Amino acid sequence: SQQGEEDPQALSIQEGENATMNCSYKTSINNLQWYRQNSGRGLVHLILIRSNEREKHSGRLRVTLDTSKKSSSLLITASRAADTASYFCATDQAGTALIFGKGTTLSVSS
Amino acid sequence: DAGVIQSPRHEVTEMGQEVTLRCKPISGHDYLFWYRQTMMRGLELLIYFNNNVPIDDSGMPEDRFSAKMPNASFSTLKIQPSEPRDSAVYFCASSPPGEVDNEKLFFGSGTQLSVL
Repeated sequence: SQQGEEDPQALSIQEGENATMNCSYKTSINNLQWYRQNSGRGLVHLILIRSNEREKHSGRLRVTLDTSKKSSSLLITASRAADTASYFCATDQAGTALIFGKGTTLSVSS
Repeated sequence: DAGVIQSPRHEVTEMGQEVTLRCKPISGHDYLFWYRQTMMRGLELLIYFNNNVPIDDSGMPEDRFSAKMPNASFSTLKIQPSEPRDSAVYFCASSPPGEVDNEKLFFGSGTQLSVL
């Protein structure tokens, strides 16, 4: 079953612009994670935010979490061509493994 | 560390044949997960193990699918008989024990399975 749903499904921007993608989920969570997948590769963990946190930063990444709205956003600032990839949110429920959304495909052109 | 290693990288087979996918998790990791990725359904959790014991196999689509983890460094996912709708990328992932980083998954590069 799908727990997280990303929006938009696809996003095209120019280098230097910011990219924002959103994730909505359905049930209570302990934490929410974002992963990146380059074409033909496995997923790579980017950042984890816990249910009692509202915002977290890692380099050019900024993640917010609103548990009242059951939503999260991932902001990539000053995008680069190398940021071109698919981005997935993943959520956990107590006692289960991570459930992933279908992802946002980001294309950054130079 | 070499990361999670999956083999083969690509597998093309004919309907009805048996397919075995292999995974070597990162040394010391005590959780192992099998996911399947398709355009239509995204990433689906198939089964996961803790300390070589299957914990949740509710995502395994049918009895044609089976998974084993005979030891801490090896797992297999078998499909017998295979069908065209099994075509997908199959990922193995592992996560470490302990309080730090134990919730993060480390993924292999996947096996691209095509059933003709």
